[in-house]
Amino acid sequence: GAVVSQHPSRVICKSGTSVKIECRSLDFQATTMFWYRQFPKQSLMLMATSNEGSKATYEQGVEKDKFLINHASLTLSTLTVTSAHPEDSSFYICSARPAGKTQYFGPGTRLLVL
Amino acid sequence: QQQVKQSPQSLIVQKGGISIINCAYENTAFDYFPWYQQFPGKGPALLIAIRPDVSEKKEGRFTISFNKSAKQFSLHIMDSQPGDSATYFCAASFRDDKIIFGKGTRLHILP
Repeated sequence: GAVVSQHPSRVICKSGTSVKIECRSLDFQATTMFWYRQFPKQSLMLMATSNEGSKATYEQGVEKDKFLINHASLTLSTLTVTSAHPEDSSFYICSARPAGKTQYFGPGTRLLVL
Repeated sequence: QQQVKQSPQSLIVQKGGISIINCAYENTAFDYFPWYQQFPGKGPALLIAIRPDVSEKKEGRFTISFNKSAKQFSLHIMDSQPGDSATYFCAASFRDDKIIFGKGTRLHILP
C-alpha cells in the first residue's frame, strides 16, 4: 500500500514553454501533498505544501506564479512550471500524506529545459 | 534551529562491514525522525523511523540509535551489502508536518 505515482517520469521541453507534472496517490486519499525539488547530489528542497481544495503554501524564495500547484482532489496534485528556463531543469519529487500519517514519496520527474 | 545536520557526506564500507551515519538536530519539538534511502533517478523511500520516546529501533539489518539528551540520532547498517549503495537522508518533523532533510550521505559498499 501507500503508492504514489508521478507522470511523466521525465520530460524535455523548450525554453519558454510550460510543463505540467502530475502526482497521484494510488491507494489512499492524501489530505496533503508536498512538492520538492532536488538538484544533482543535493538534498530535497521543499517547494510548497498543498491541501485539497485550498491554495498551496509556498516556501520562502519559491515563485508561486512560476510554479503553479493545483490540488484538485484527494488523490491528485499537479505542478505546472510556467515559462520554463534552463535553470528550472531539476528533479521534481512529490509526496502525499494521508491524515495522521507520514509522507509517501513519488518516483520523481526529471525535467530538462533546453 | 530547523536544520538537521548529517555526516559524513560520503562513506565507503567493505562488504559485510557496518555503515554508520550520524545526524544532529536543534529543535526539541521534533517528534519524528525518519531515514530515507534514495537510488539514482528515484524518489526517496522510507527505510526506518523512530519517535523520541524510544532509544533504539531495529528492522532487519537497519538500526536507529536515538540520544534525546544529545539531540543526535544515527543509522547503523549491519552486514552492509553492495545493494545498500545509495544516498541516505536523515530527517526530522514535528507533528507530521513538513519534513526537514539532512544533506545526505552517499554510501558505497565495496564488493
